[in-house]
Amino acid sequence: GENVEQHPSTLSVQEGDSAVIKCTYSDSASNYFPWYKQELGKGPQLIIDIRSNVGEKKDQRIAVTLNKTAKHFSLHITETQPEDSAVYFCAARNNQGGKLIFGQGTELSVKP
Amino acid sequence: DAGITQSPRHKVTETGTPVTLRCHQTENHRYMYWYRQDPGHGLRLIHYSYGVKDTDKGEVSDGYSVSRSKTEDFLLTLESATSSQTSVYFCAISESWSSSYEQYFGPGTRLTVT
Repeated sequence: GENVEQHPSTLSVQEGDSAVIKCTYSDSASNYFPWYKQELGKGPQLIIDIRSNVGEKKDQRIAVTLNKTAKHFSLHITETQPEDSAVYFCAARNNQGGKLIFGQGTELSVKP
Repeated sequence: DAGITQSPRHKVTETGTPVTLRCHQTENHRYMYWYRQDPGHGLRLIHYSYGVKDTDKGEVSDGYSVSRSKTEDFLLTLESATSSQTSVYFCAISESWSSSYEQYFGPGTRLTVT
């Protein structure tokens, strides 16, 4: 079955710097890769996703890149702000009845 | 926010007692899911439902059962709680199984088994 590895587990950056979180997946049939943000005491919320027919997707300060050959995808946050502090999860899934498999999570801390 | 509520939000129970967690949605979505969240493991799927009375197992289903008698309600039952089931439990919903449809998560239930 699918396995998703996420790194780093914790990340601390200064306000204004960029942050990058990386994930690798094992199932070459996976074709959907969402990223979730979880604030303290709340459920995860989708912030951006990418499908396997696209190499990069941007939404304001966040972007996701996908390398299908290497089976890894990354979340990039530019000009970080204190409100970006949260736990971020990557996930992968395929459409052949596959389930959404999550990475272990990255705790991002943005210091003012 | 998607209309998902979970009850209770916090619960402390003793080993060996039965526990039922409830997920209620107002979105009329077909699919509902139960996940557990543990440090170092991310979110792991316990069970899911693809319609009323239609359920299937996820990757960590041992010790858990589910029921869905109405579209809006999905119940997770721990028949005899164990300390290893101490976790935060999240319910999620989606319109379809397809990757075209986002999964929306509820606020979670923190369960402690002593």
